[in-house]
This record gives sequence, structure tokens and C-alpha cells, in this order.
Amino acid sequence: DTGVSQDPRHKITKRGQNVTFRCDPISEHNRLYWYRQTLGQGPEFLTYFQNEAQLEKSRLLSDRFSAERPKGSFSTLEIQRTEQGDSAMYLCASSEPGTAVSEAFFGQGTRLTVV
Amino acid sequence: AQSVTQLGSHVSVSEGALVLLRCNYSSSVPPYLFWYVQYPNKGLQLLLKYTSAATLVKGINGFEAEFKKSETSFHLTKPSAHMSDAAEYFCAVRRYNQGGKLIFGQGTELSVKP
Repeated sequence: DTGVSQDPRHKITKRGQNVTFRCDPISEHNRLYWYRQTLGQGPEFLTYFQNEAQLEKSRLLSDRFSAERPKGSFSTLEIQRTEQGDSAMYLCASSEPGTAVSEAFFGQGTRLTVV
Repeated sequence: AQSVTQLGSHVSVSEGALVLLRCNYSSSVPPYLFWYVQYPNKGLQLLLKYTSAATLVKGINGFEAEFKKSETSFHLTKPSAHMSDAAEYFCAVRRYNQGGKLIFGQGTELSVKP
């Protein structure tokens, strides 16, 4: 399978713990995006990378959230001191370099439950 | 600021009936517009996109959408619903100078009755 893959698919954690999610984009896609989706809502943009550079962060991304893409390939999203409000589906997407019409390909997401 | 509004969080149609899912956008300049579908336990999949080449856009699985600038709309239609069309549908907008990020509507769940 050469699509966007995310790991893990599900994560249950206790409030206050740290969690880290991984996203492997489609190879040769230089843009990588993170979104968050809560029940009954559309995905909300969190941040995006072009190669290894993080070019934009949403105001939704509090200082407890950090994302990296160290070699311009896979990316990690870490949430520190998790809160119940962090429970959501975290989606990763990647797209080819170039224009704004490039299709974004999405992974299946990581569902986080904070108890 | 851009936004996307999908009218109706849930739409139910009978198999074989017309599907109409509504999407209106708010943008200071005409944006690029997309429809995505999300099946249970699956990732978002692109149905179609408007990139200013043609106002009537055809997508996969028999879906199409028409961009109407005067109405700031990009409604999704399919002439005849199939049971396999039951899913969540999202309209999204992207500005050409905003790095490719998508702004999504809240989604419309489509149910298809036999």
C-alpha cells in the first residue's frame, strides 16, 4: 500500500500523559498536513510542512502540541499533558509539490481517547 | 476569512433518487473548491475539485458539482443514489496563496434507504 499511513490507529491514554503519533506520507510528496476531527465536525487544520520546514501553525495548536518532520519524510505529532478535550481523530495528509490544486491524500487517522 | 457552510448535517434519500448536498463558501476571491467523501473507518477520499477550468465538474462514482459564483455555491449532485453512496461528505475550500491547507465544512451524512 503506497498511501498515507498513520500509526497507531487507536490510542487510549490517561489525562496528563504524553502521546506521539506518526505519519508516513506518500513518497515524493513534499507537503504534509495535520488535521483534527471531532465527532460531527469537519477536519480542522493544525499545521503543515513543506519538506522539513513547518510553515504554518493554527491557533488550535496550543503549546502542548508539537509537530516535527526531521528529514522531510515522516512526521510526528506529540501532545503533552493530554486533556479530555484532546480526544479526537488526528488526520494526516500529503500532497505533491506545486500548485494549490494538488490533491491532498489522507491517511485513515489516529483516534485518540483521553480518559 | 474563508468559511464553508454545508446545509443539512444529515440527508436521507431513497435508492435511485437524486442526491443533492449543499455547500456555500465565503471568500473574498473565488477559491479552489473540493468535495471529499469519508466512509466508516476509511480516510477522506477526493470526489472532485473545482479549479476554475470549468464550472461543471465531474467526479468519481457518478458525482458532479457546479460552481456558481453569483450564489457562492458548489453543490454536489448525483442523479441516482446507490446504497454504496452512504457516507459522510465534506465540502472544502482552499486559497491559492495559503500553502494548500483546506478549510472544511462540518459535513453532511448521507443515508440511502432501500
